[in-house]
Amino acid sequence: DGGITQSPKYLFRKEGQNVTLSCEQNLNHDAMYWYRQDPGQGLRLIYYSQIVNDFQKGDIAEGYSVSREKKESFPLTVTSAQKNPTAFYLCASSITGTREKLFFGSGTQLSVL
Amino acid sequence: GQQLNQSPQSMFIQEGEDVSMNCTSSSIFNTWLWYKQEPGEGPVLLIALYKAGELTSNGRLTAQFGITRKDSFLNISASIPSDVGIYFCAPGSGNTGKLIFGQGTTLQVKP
Repeated sequence: DGGITQSPKYLFRKEGQNVTLSCEQNLNHDAMYWYRQDPGQGLRLIYYSQIVNDFQKGDIAEGYSVSREKKESFPLTVTSAQKNPTAFYLCASSITGTREKLFFGSGTQLSVL
Repeated sequence: GQQLNQSPQSMFIQEGEDVSMNCTSSSIFNTWLWYKQEPGEGPVLLIALYKAGELTSNGRLTAQFGITRKDSFLNISASIPSDVGIYFCAPGSGNTGKLIFGQGTTLQVKP
């Protein structure tokens, strides 16, 4: 079955540590996105990529980095510069022509030790 | 910046009751989408609206794109326990996939 796989489901970060969240899709979608969700708030866009080897900053990109070397993969690195990283991170993808119709993964909960 | 208000913030209802929620914005949008998120999962698209005044149904769910293009409404009829979750409105403009998400309406249904 096609879908978006995020891993791990739970992740813990120590002070000063970079961590990478994985996102893989086998839907053959060209666009991929990373959102951050905090309790009681809507989803906020971190980064998005519409094509391989290209990506753009979203509304809250500071302290995060991404890469898009393959169509299927869009990993997100939470760097030590992100001072408040505890949140639920959601990866999504969409097809050309219907980019508002996002397909989401099941998320990664990141917590700080 | 763009202001998006989704209400109510939460609802606790009896099974069988109808539910209404809405989103209003200070900006005009070309698209209004509604997503549902169950605990520990990613949101799933329920309904997509593309024209002002459009009324679209998906089973017991009905959504409308406001005439002013600044608001949208979602109604759920005859609620059931599996309707529990967080409902998000997400307006968009253009075809970039850059949606703005409302704060969400948390729905709890008492059997």
